[in-house]
Amino acid sequence: DVQLLESGGDLVQPGGSLRLSCAASGFIFNNYAMSWVRQAPGKGLEWVSGISTSGGSTYYADSVKGRFTISRDSSKNTLYLQMRSLRAEDTAIYYCTNLFSPRSYDGFEIWGQGTMVSVSS
Amino acid sequence: DIQMTQSPSSLSASVGDRVTITCQASQDISNYLNWYQQKPGKAPKLLIYDASNLETGVPSRFSGSGSGTDFSFTISSLQPEDIATYYCQNYANLPITFGGGTKVEIK
Repeated sequence: DVQLLESGGDLVQPGGSLRLSCAASGFIFNNYAMSWVRQAPGKGLEWVSGISTSGGSTYYADSVKGRFTISRDSSKNTLYLQMRSLRAEDTAIYYCTNLFSPRSYDGFEIWGQGTMVSVSS
Repeated sequence: DIQMTQSPSSLSASVGDRVTITCQASQDISNYLNWYQQKPGKAPKLLIYDASNLETGVPSRFSGSGSGTDFSFTISSLQPEDIATYYCQNYANLPITFGGGTKVEIK
């Protein structure tokens, strides 16, 4: 099956850390730059971070810069998001996707089902 | 960052009605605009890419138009299964930004 499967979401205290994973299958993971997009409860979509196909270039929203680190492991076809110094406002469903900019759309866009991160004491 | 202003934030229409949503970018984004549908508990689904191109498998009652800063999305004949929240999205550059969403309900 062609899919992205996120994991690692949990309830964590403010100031804590968490690492999200996104396992890709059924397509050539290494051909696509990847992103994390989040959605706070009852709110809209927010792009969080992106990474190039090689992993050599990473990008972050101002809201997470310096606290989150995106990475990828081509041998495991897996995308990661290391989150530190978590705040209540980081509470959201986190989606991984091959959405990115710039890109020339090739007819293939995929999203995972999401993983829930809750930051609360 | 490019701001995306989407309107209305919600609408209620009857089955068979024509529904239009607009999205305005804070600067010229050419045609680097997508439209998504999101149903409760689900990931967003791409409907329209590059402002006006229908994604494969998406019903032809969905359409998009515009370029530069002003864009629109239309459902030509609203169906019960179209109940969802719709988002525009700019991908002209990073950060990718989304409109605030339009919740579509049946009257």
